[in-house]
Amino acid sequence: DTAVSQTPKYLVTQMGNDKSIKCEQNLGHDTMYWYKQDSKKFLKIMFSYNNKELIINETVPNRFSPKSPDKAHLNLHINSLELGDSAVYFCASSQDVSGTQYFGPGTRLLVL
Amino acid sequence: AQSVTQPDIHITVSEGASLELRCNYSYGATPYLFWYVQSPGQGLQLLLKYFSGDTLVQGIKGFEAEFKRSQSSFNLRKPSVHWSDAAEYFCAVASGGGADGLTFGKGTHLIIQP
Repeated sequence: DTAVSQTPKYLVTQMGNDKSIKCEQNLGHDTMYWYKQDSKKFLKIMFSYNNKELIINETVPNRFSPKSPDKAHLNLHINSLELGDSAVYFCASSQDVSGTQYFGPGTRLLVL
Repeated sequence: AQSVTQPDIHITVSEGASLELRCNYSYGATPYLFWYVQSPGQGLQLLLKYFSGDTLVQGIKGFEAEFKRSQSSFNLRKPSVHWSDAAEYFCAVASGGGADGLTFGKGTHLIIQP
């Protein structure tokens, strides 16, 4: 069984479009995250949600809006896509204060 | 603010040789430390983690890491690498709260020579 899953795996779209990436975890974790990995493979936290409440928003443009319908899901909606949004987006989840995070397979977004 | 430095961008090792990947962190309190591995086109897999206790931690795939508070380091080691170990390796630090997210180093790309 997949612990943290993301859809789609690949996403190719035009500038200015709006797109969503979905994330689901079946680990029963309370906290979920979105990370962005740029072309140089640098990983940076974007958002953190704990029990459906936003905890962290790390200077992410407001074109990015996370939505957590329940504890098992954290979706990422992106408005007015820009070339610089091209990256790999990873969802992750964790349960306890140890911070051990389990990552999804990533969504490779290419904005043309 | 916490930070992680991986000083080696690329490392090349012969198959069967030993490996050490360096990681230095900056954090005020006792950190939670992690090593993740990312194979090409794949997600991140947790290799091992340190929270407290024994400073030498064992992980999966024959990896181990040693936490040295005096050097603010958490270096990853493997006694004998395999060609399948070729990947990107990331060191990360978390503060005490699980919801704070991880701060990653920039990664070390490991190349295995036959």
